[in-house]
Amino acid sequence: DAKTTQPNSMESNEEEPVHLPCNHSTISGTDYIHWYRQLPSQGPEYVIHGLTSNVNNRMASLAIAEDRKSSTLILHRATLRDAAVYYCILRDKGSARQLTFGSGTQLTVLP
Amino acid sequence: DTEVTQTPKHLVMGMTNKKSLKCEQHMGHRAMYWYKQKAKKPPELMFVYSYEKLSINESVPSRFSPECPNSSLLNLHLHALQPEDSALYLCASSLILGAGYTFGSGTRLTVV
Repeated sequence: DAKTTQPNSMESNEEEPVHLPCNHSTISGTDYIHWYRQLPSQGPEYVIHGLTSNVNNRMASLAIAEDRKSSTLILHRATLRDAAVYYCILRDKGSARQLTFGSGTQLTVLP
Repeated sequence: DTEVTQTPKHLVMGMTNKKSLKCEQHMGHRAMYWYKQKAKKPPELMFVYSYEKLSINESVPSRFSPECPNSSLLNLHLHALQPEDSALYLCASSLILGAGYTFGSGTRLTVV
């Protein structure tokens, strides 16, 4: 499986944008980039995914580099409820492979 | 219904006890999963079921025994556990293998 690299932790101020980076230099052409997050005392939850183009949904935006070797999850206005561990995961487009979590980024949101 | 429900939320058991964890979903998902998560670590896959058949066992010790009696229900039977098995046990489901996952909130297990 292609590997992802994320910072261990990041801090953000409430109501400011947050950019969470993920490096995946060995990504293959058929790998989708998925983001999940895990809030305290909860199971992980799906945030967003994309292949090549930037993606937006109600939770976040995903910016994918042109060479696809990195991506950035963007939370447009962080709230205290966004404090969580954010996982960047690669999944092959046509594969039934299971979801494999890396170590993720612990996001702290400061009031 | 868009939830995965896990019961109990907390469980304390002795090393000689037998207990079961339960996971239920009514989203019509045909793939279900058990993950184990130790404190400050990412979830680790234990078992995968697809259409009620065991698809993957990630070399989990036999003291953990999964069961999928129907497409909505997944159990994890526990017997003769060790203190190091204390962890958060997460259940997830997906429409089919490879689709997006929905996770439950987990069962926090303490083995004494």
